[in-house]
Amino acid sequence: DSGVTQTPKHLITATGQRVTLRCSPRSGDLSVYWYQQSLDQGLQFLIHYYNGEERAKGNILERFSAQQFPDLHSELNLSSLELGDSALYFCASSAGIHVAGGSYNEQFFGPGTRLTVL
Amino acid sequence: TQLLEQSPQFLSIQEGENLTVYCNSSSVFSSLQWYRQEPGEGPVLLVTVVTGGEVKKLKRLTFQFGDARKDSSLHITAAQPGDTGLYLCAGATSGTYKYIFGTGTRLKVLA
Repeated sequence: DSGVTQTPKHLITATGQRVTLRCSPRSGDLSVYWYQQSLDQGLQFLIHYYNGEERAKGNILERFSAQQFPDLHSELNLSSLELGDSALYFCASSAGIHVAGGSYNEQFFGPGTRLTVL
Repeated sequence: TQLLEQSPQFLSIQEGENLTVYCNSSSVFSSLQWYRQEPGEGPVLLVTVVTGGEVKKLKRLTFQFGDARKDSSLHITAAQPGDTGLYLCAGATSGTYKYIFGTGTRLKVLA
């Protein structure tokens, strides 16, 4: 158990709908990252928040947005869903912000949310 | 574009064999992590290497960070079926906030 929780575990919805995925980081971790992983594909970095502020964006679609709340939990909002958005969505947390290197870069992943768009 | 290229992409070997997975980049990394992911689950951190030339051992797994901190390798001795999974290297280049994952090596160890 990594200490990172994600809800829901599974989500089935229709095209055009909007969903919200939730992530609670490990106790004390200030950084939250979101990743998308399609079937048999690698991890695609979406976005990184540190202590409530957006720090880096990856290949995140405009239909997707995220935020990190004062209690450090984070939500990923996916709207106008398309079939191609079906994937595993992972949240990870780390202790700090990876500029200096070392242990600040170590990420701990949640169990993921499997999104199926029909 | 910062890339972490891993090789080989796929590897299927017999139990007891040795193998090495490579992670290469043209960029310098402040540190590199290695993760293992099993189907349907999140990646699990195996190790962090920080210093150029550093070697770390985790039971039958040996991790090395290149002298120039641009590459890393993972060597598994006497592979076992339990080593099966997707191996990912990852890191952030010095001075950036973008954390990138390698292209992955999918290992299958046959009993």
